[in-house]
Amino acid sequence: QVQLQESGPGLVKPSQTLSLTCTVSGGSVSSGDFSWSWIRQHPGQGLEWIGHIYYSGTTYFNPSLKSRLIISVDTSKNQLTLKLNSVTAADTAVYYCARSVEGYTYAWGHWGQGTLVTVSS
Amino acid sequence: SSELTQDPAVSVALGQTVRITCQGASLRSYYASWHRQKPGQAPVVIIYGKNNRPSGIPDRFSGSRSGNTASLTITGAQAEDEADYYCNSRESSGAVVFGGGTKLTVL
Repeated sequence: QVQLQESGPGLVKPSQTLSLTCTVSGGSVSSGDFSWSWIRQHPGQGLEWIGHIYYSGTTYFNPSLKSRLIISVDTSKNQLTLKLNSVTAADTAVYYCARSVEGYTYAWGHWGQGTLVTVSS
Repeated sequence: SSELTQDPAVSVALGQTVRITCQGASLRSYYASWHRQKPGQAPVVIIYGKNNRPSGIPDRFSGSRSGNTASLTITGAQAEDEADYYCNSRESSGAVVFGGGTKLTVL
């Protein structure tokens, strides 16, 4: 059974870079059958898609975040990474990594538990 | 980017049928997916594509689309169905958009 686990600092200072890692077990980030996504949820609010990446390295980003965003995969470590620079308090959220349903990018069959990142000085 | 609009809250009597809707221009071209989220938990996919249910999702959940509106129907709502439900779809650019979510209360 595939499992995803987010990790990274829970507190980031304004203007700095938010960096998160999603470690995947029970499955490979190199599989061509799935895409890998980051999705966030501001406190008490709805879901916001951040972006996703295919095994080929092709990425798609939320237009509102695109200029600050890097998503990549590390196949040697079987990890997905997120880097969001120039963060502000508006980036405070629970960040989820998720794997798509097999063969279908726009639904997610497996999610990490989520990690809360607070942007504050 | 386009938006998806959901009613913020819907209620249903135990055992009755409820429809949760999602409206948006992208739905004229693409199917919606539906995810359920309970407090403190990660979302769970309920419906994706035309009307696909992952294994483990009861057949009381079904999805449909008409024009610019996608619907999630729960036939015979159970107490455990009380949760937030989110629709999402893709845009022609390949980006993803979520609806604001619907809080379902089972009375």
